[in-house]
Amino acid sequence: EPEVTQTPSHQVTQMGQEVILRCVPISNHLYFYWYRQILGQKVEFLVSFYNNEISEKSEIFDDQFSVERPDGSNFTLKIRSTKLEDSAMYFCASTPGRGNSPLHFGNGTRLTVT
Amino acid sequence: RKEVEQDPGPFNVPEGATVAFNCTYSNSASQSFFWYRQDCRKEPKLLMSVYSSGNEDGRFTAQLNRASQYISLLIRDSKLSDSATYLCVVSRYSSASKIIFGSGTRLSIRP
Repeated sequence: EPEVTQTPSHQVTQMGQEVILRCVPISNHLYFYWYRQILGQKVEFLVSFYNNEISEKSEIFDDQFSVERPDGSNFTLKIRSTKLEDSAMYFCASTPGRGNSPLHFGNGTRLTVT
Repeated sequence: RKEVEQDPGPFNVPEGATVAFNCTYSNSASQSFFWYRQDCRKEPKLLMSVYSSGNEDGRFTAQLNRASQYISLLIRDSKLSDSATYLCVVSRYSSASKIIFGSGTRLSIRP
């Protein structure tokens, strides 16, 4: 069964550094998402991406965040200047369509900001 | 009021028991409903979609009550491997950002 893959599985960085989290969505999917989950808290929407542009973003997704699909397969989340509170699990997801299609999640990147 | 609310639990039940979770949602325009399970520090995995007529997948039964705006999940003959957090997910077609996760209900099955 096709999977969403994410790398790295764990990233440790110092406050103020830039990080790039990488995702390869399922190949025939058209909608891509980033979610985050702070330890012990709920899964929170960050951003959705379709047709090479952001379709929606949450209030969490401020100017320090950006997303890109640099080629036909990768989907990246960049955090420009990390803060301690950015420490969380970051999940990439994809769907073939919107709304009634369930999300297919990658296994996540655990980001630790020290 | 939260958009999607779940009893956080934990539910601690013996193996073989039947356990039920409820989830309520606030927006009547919600159109798609799912149950996911999440193991500790892992990604959410789709357990089942929830259809208006109710649906069953083996030991799992999901029900939707649009009038009362709640979704339920019933697990029969629970197994040790059912121990996880169960997430209720509600979405509206018109908005990708409106795929909202509940906080989850923790289930622990004891031998």
